[in-house]
Amino acid sequence: NAGVTQTPKFQVLKTGQSMTLQCAQDMNHEYMSWYRQDPGMGLRLIHYSVGAGITDQGEVPNGYNVSRSTTEDFPLRLLSAAPSQTSVYFCASRRTWTSSNQETQYFGPGTRLLVL
Amino acid sequence: GESVGLHLPTLSVQEGDNSIINCAYSNSASDYFIWYKQESGKGPQFIIDIRSNMDKRQGQRVTVLLNKTVKHLSLQIAATQPGDSAVYFCAESGGGSNTGKLIFGQGTTLQVKP
Repeated sequence: NAGVTQTPKFQVLKTGQSMTLQCAQDMNHEYMSWYRQDPGMGLRLIHYSVGAGITDQGEVPNGYNVSRSTTEDFPLRLLSAAPSQTSVYFCASRRTWTSSNQETQYFGPGTRLLVL
Repeated sequence: GESVGLHLPTLSVQEGDNSIINCAYSNSASDYFIWYKQESGKGPQFIIDIRSNMDKRQGQRVTVLLNKTVKHLSLQIAATQPGDSAVYFCAESGGGSNTGKLIFGQGTTLQVKP
């Protein structure tokens, strides 16, 4: 298994441009999520999905859209990039969606985004 | 609000010594904890986890201790090696969250001196 993969590894955007960060997993995991990592603030949840066709907002969803048309893929779209979205973005997945949440999440290698 | 914090931003140890990285959490309803290792330019890598019905769990060269009374978590690394140099995060999951969100501490940088 390749695990969780992300593309691109690095991207530079101008303010106002749009782009899609790709995330895929080959482990047949139900739950997938997107985090952003900023210095001094740890990782913060942007959006998550508990299965194909189901998505919901995390704690910092503004400026981002997601969709989950297949179990494997969970792309993150920036509609109109802003400098405040300069960050490192991580996709994560875990096997099942249970209310107990006692299951670890596995992370991809990240996408470094710079918005000028 | 909820928070997860690590006590020291940087820990420097000699190769071969044992390392102890500490973490405190504020949500008494937290029932699942994970330690991640993050090397430069990479994503967080799972090290070990522990559920709240346990107070100790051991892996290969790593041990996690959980003290629910004082809401404290620690990661012990035995015979620290240069390859252990990284940022270590504790994270909390569960506690009734309906988003599956992991709450991360801000990380401790472990530096291993040869």
